[in-house]
Amino acid sequence: AQSVSQHNHHVILSEAASLELGCNYSYGGTVNLFWYVQYPGQHLQLLLKYFSGDPLVKGIKGFEAEFIKSKFSFNLRKPSVQWSDTAEYFCAVNARMDSSYKLIFGSGTRLLVRP
Amino acid sequence: SAVISQKPSRDICQRGTSLTIQCQVDSQVTMMFWYRQQPGQSLTLIATANQGSEATYESGFVIDKFPISRPNLTFSTLTVSNMSPEDSSIYLCSVGGLGIGNEQFFGPGTRLTVL
Repeated sequence: AQSVSQHNHHVILSEAASLELGCNYSYGGTVNLFWYVQYPGQHLQLLLKYFSGDPLVKGIKGFEAEFIKSKFSFNLRKPSVQWSDTAEYFCAVNARMDSSYKLIFGSGTRLLVRP
Repeated sequence: SAVISQKPSRDICQRGTSLTIQCQVDSQVTMMFWYRQQPGQSLTLIATANQGSEATYESGFVIDKFPISRPNLTFSTLTVSNMSPEDSSIYLCSVGGLGIGNEQFFGPGTRLTVL
């Protein structure tokens, strides 16, 4: 069955530290990849997405992610985190299943950035 | 993007009762989706709600337990029927088109606790 794995469930960093959150998926067909973020008390919102082309995609607030097809990975990075990046981050894959396209989510990573 | 609201934002219910959650979008959309996020777990798609047709349920979810209405292109309801403590979750609606490249936008969620 198709799945999305996020390896880090909880991450604690100090401000200005670099961030990398892992995401791997299992699906051999065409996919689109997303990172969503949920700040405390707010909606899930899209951070960035990959459809095709340049495998390095840039999103809002200085985040970027790299799609490595051979590794089935789509890791999220930020060179220098801020306290305001404290949130839960979800990796998601949009893959063709049966006759529809489902959005499959990873289990999420809670990031705490200490000032 | 779309602005999505949900009612109620949270509720505490007794075992055996039912709760109807409303989802309102500020623009007409083709596809609406209902997700469940159980404590500490990922988002799981319950069903896809299309206006003018029966909702399409994912494996493990049935219409008798989670009846859905979609009376027009801006509104949908999800009912959680005959609730048990295992139904305690956050229920989210989202909108977006199916297919490669189509992202989804999420509502704020309804936090349900069943005693």
